[in-house]
Amino acid sequence: SAVISQKPSRDICQRGTSLTIQCQVDSQVTMMFWYRQQPGQSLTLIATANQGSEATYESGFVIDKFPISRPNLTFSTLTVSNMSPEDSSIYLCSVNGYTFGSGTRLTVV
Amino acid sequence: DAKTTQPTSMDCAEGRAANLPCNHSTISGNEYVYWYRQIHSQGPQYIIHGLKNNETNEMASLIITEDRKSSTLILPHATLRDTAVYYCIVRVPHMNYGGATNKLIFGTGTLLAVQP
Repeated sequence: SAVISQKPSRDICQRGTSLTIQCQVDSQVTMMFWYRQQPGQSLTLIATANQGSEATYESGFVIDKFPISRPNLTFSTLTVSNMSPEDSSIYLCSVNGYTFGSGTRLTVV
Repeated sequence: DAKTTQPTSMDCAEGRAANLPCNHSTISGNEYVYWYRQIHSQGPQYIIHGLKNNETNEMASLIITEDRKSSTLILPHATLRDTAVYYCIVRVPHMNYGGATNKLIFGTGTLLAVQP
């Protein structure tokens, strides 16, 4: 199965700033998925990213807040823009419906 | 919205079988049932999945009722390291700009506490 490297593993950011999270896969994959896990909650799908097309966002998530890039079949980034404390969560990428990265723990102060 | 309901928490004695139930009464004919677990501060770990037939792998067994409205994940000999949140998920079709795929909609999961 694919191996995912997600960076950074954690960060503490000031409100109003932006953070870009990277997801690197050791093999080519068609679909990549970005999830958010708020404190004490389950995972919520943010968007699906396919190389060569724009990302598809789930209800409640918009591109201006969570822009996603998918430049090739092994890499994707998720940016959390204009952060507020409510964005404090774990952000995870996933590929092929089976494998998840270890996540990025974001704290906004 | 999640298509599954699970008990919030369960206890199991170490060495005994852990049986985790899941209801998915609105599941459609071509939708698979997936199980994942999440150990604190880690990403979800895939366990097993199935459509209609019972499935077994090195980690667990999955028993799906004939009407497919519920299933049970069985960990045959639970250890302390199996303490985690277990998610029962129905994989649903998903159209996106890149074409057709499937997506996992996570429910609230069951916190399994294995006791020594």
